[in-house]
Amino acid sequence: SQKIEQNSEALNIQEGKTATLTCNYTNYSPAYLQWYRQDPGRGPVFLLLIRENEKEKRKERLKVTFDTTLKQSLFHITASQPADSATYLCALTSGYSTLTFGKGTMLLVSP
Amino acid sequence: DSGVTQTPKHLITATGQRVTLRCSPRSGDLSVYWYQQSLDQGLQFLIQYYNGEERAKGNILERFSAQQFPDLHSELNLSSLELGDSALYFCASSVLPSGGPNEQFFGPGTRLTVL
Repeated sequence: SQKIEQNSEALNIQEGKTATLTCNYTNYSPAYLQWYRQDPGRGPVFLLLIRENEKEKRKERLKVTFDTTLKQSLFHITASQPADSATYLCALTSGYSTLTFGKGTMLLVSP
Repeated sequence: DSGVTQTPKHLITATGQRVTLRCSPRSGDLSVYWYQQSLDQGLQFLIQYYNGEERAKGNILERFSAQQFPDLHSELNLSSLELGDSALYFCASSVLPSGGPNEQFFGPGTRLTVL
């Protein structure tokens, strides 16, 4: 069955460093991969979308890579700030199906 | 603010009862999605409607049903509630009908507690 894996352990980093979060998937051929941010008790907020034929996408301090051979996406936040502390979810779709979400990784940025 | 509204914000009820959750999508969005989020399961897709028609079904229990009305608002009905139904329920909306390059806009959620 389709599986999306994100590190269940929280990632703790210091302010100013680059945070890197991983999303691995199996038994899936996604056409699009999305990253969302979720704060406690609130709805997810869309951050970035990357297509299967794109290797990398950037938006301000955010960068996403998509390696369909490794079946992996990496999500980077450069010059991280305490305000970046949240849970980050990756989500995949084959293009015809609805989004399937990973369980997310919590990021904690300390001052 | 995503533009998606959900009511009520909190709901506390007893086992065996029935509740209705309401969602209004962003202006112009024809697709509405319902998700359930619990601590151990993550965000689980329940059902999608597009312009009034059921479009896709996920892990939705038979005790749950939904509909989308002509004004595009949607309701999720949960009946014969069990303790395990306690969770955050999110509604999301999008412009496109399917899972293409199609970001979803989430509402603030309804926290359901079944006692």
